[in-house]
Order: sequence, then C-alpha cells, then structure tokens
Amino acid sequence: DGGITQSPKYLFRKEGQNVTLSCEQNLNHDAMYWYRQDPGQGLRLIYYSQIVNDFQKGDIAEGYSVSREKKESFPLTVTSAQKNPTAFYLCASSRGTSGSTSTDTQYFGPGTRLTVL
Amino acid sequence: GEDVEQSLFLSVREGDSSVINCTYTDSSSTYLYWYKQEPGAGLQLLTYIFSNMDMKQDQRLTVLLNKKDKHLSLRIADTQTGDSAIYFCAALSSNTGKLIFGQGTTLQVKP
Repeated sequence: DGGITQSPKYLFRKEGQNVTLSCEQNLNHDAMYWYRQDPGQGLRLIYYSQIVNDFQKGDIAEGYSVSREKKESFPLTVTSAQKNPTAFYLCASSRGTSGSTSTDTQYFGPGTRLTVL
Repeated sequence: GEDVEQSLFLSVREGDSSVINCTYTDSSSTYLYWYKQEPGAGLQLLTYIFSNMDMKQDQRLTVLLNKKDKHLSLRIADTQTGDSAIYFCAALSSNTGKLIFGQGTTLQVKP
C-alpha cells in the first residue's frame, strides 16, 4: 500500500524546545516537500528536496531545518527560533521537479498539527 | 510575483452543481491542480489539467481552463454532503518548478 505517512498526528511543544516531525514515503519519489498551513490561508513552502543529500529553502525557511539522508525520509525540525510554530504541517512528494510535466504532481501526507503550549 | 486567488466560501444545496473559481497570474504555469481537504486531513489530489487543454472531465468533476484570462474552474455535478470540504487550486510554475496555492474555497453542502 503506497503512500506518504507523517507522524505524529498531534504534537505539543513547550516554548524553547526543538521538535522533529517525521515524513516517510514509499512511492519511490525523488522530490519531497514541507508546507505550513495556517487557518484561512493557502500552503506555504518551507523546504524542499529534489534528491537525496540535497535540499533548498522555500519561502518561509527561517526557524526550520531539514535533512534528506534517505530517499524515503524527509524529517522537519521546528527549532526554538521559529517565533510562531503553531500550525498544521504537510509533507508532500513528487517523482520530478521540472515544472513542466505531470511527474511534478505532488501527493500529500495526512499532516501533523503542532501546538506550542 | 506568482499569485493564485480563490473565493473563500461557497454554499449549495445537495443535488445542485457547484462551481469553484480560481485565477492565477503566472503565464508560465504548465499544470493546474485541484485538491480537496477534509477537516484535519491532508490534501487529496482530485484532478489536474495541462495548460494546452480547455476542458477535462472525470466522472462528476469538470475542469475548465481559460488560459487567455488565466481562469480555472471546477464544477462538481450532483453535489453531495460528502463533498463538503476545502478545495485548493494550485498552479505549477515552469520557471521555478514550485506549486503555488490559492487560499482555498470552503464548500458547504446543505441537505
């Protein structure tokens, strides 16, 4: 059963703590993405990775970090430097990133809701 | 910059057709997508259309694209209560390879 999994579904963090959100895919996709969703807003890109051991900053990377040591996994760390981390975080993957073919179609995981206490 | 705009809310009666509209600014957009998000869930890909097409039909869903006006619409025929969700329009930029999302349209289906 192929797909994208994210864990945990709900995460609570105290101020000043770092937390790591997990994202795993078994679709054999090269590219993976992290988005942040706030109420009433569209998705904003945090980081993306086109290939293993490489990643790029998206539009709102400050206060976040990622790694891509394995093709299947793209964990996101929300650091204490992120001033307003409470949000819904979505991971996605695609076969390609050319910007011009249907292989760029992104598929999403179920999301992690992070709340800062 | 690249931008995608949608109306925020649509309410219809069960059995009616729903039409959700979207406009985008990036003329280099190659693929345009519709995603559905149910409460507390991730985004589910509904359908997509290539920029050289005018229309795509998939069961109850019809996508219309006016490339000249940069206008995209999603029509849901015979709308059911299970169609109640947030619908996101997204445009794939051939310049950046990034997907630009609208802010989402909440569809409310009344019995």
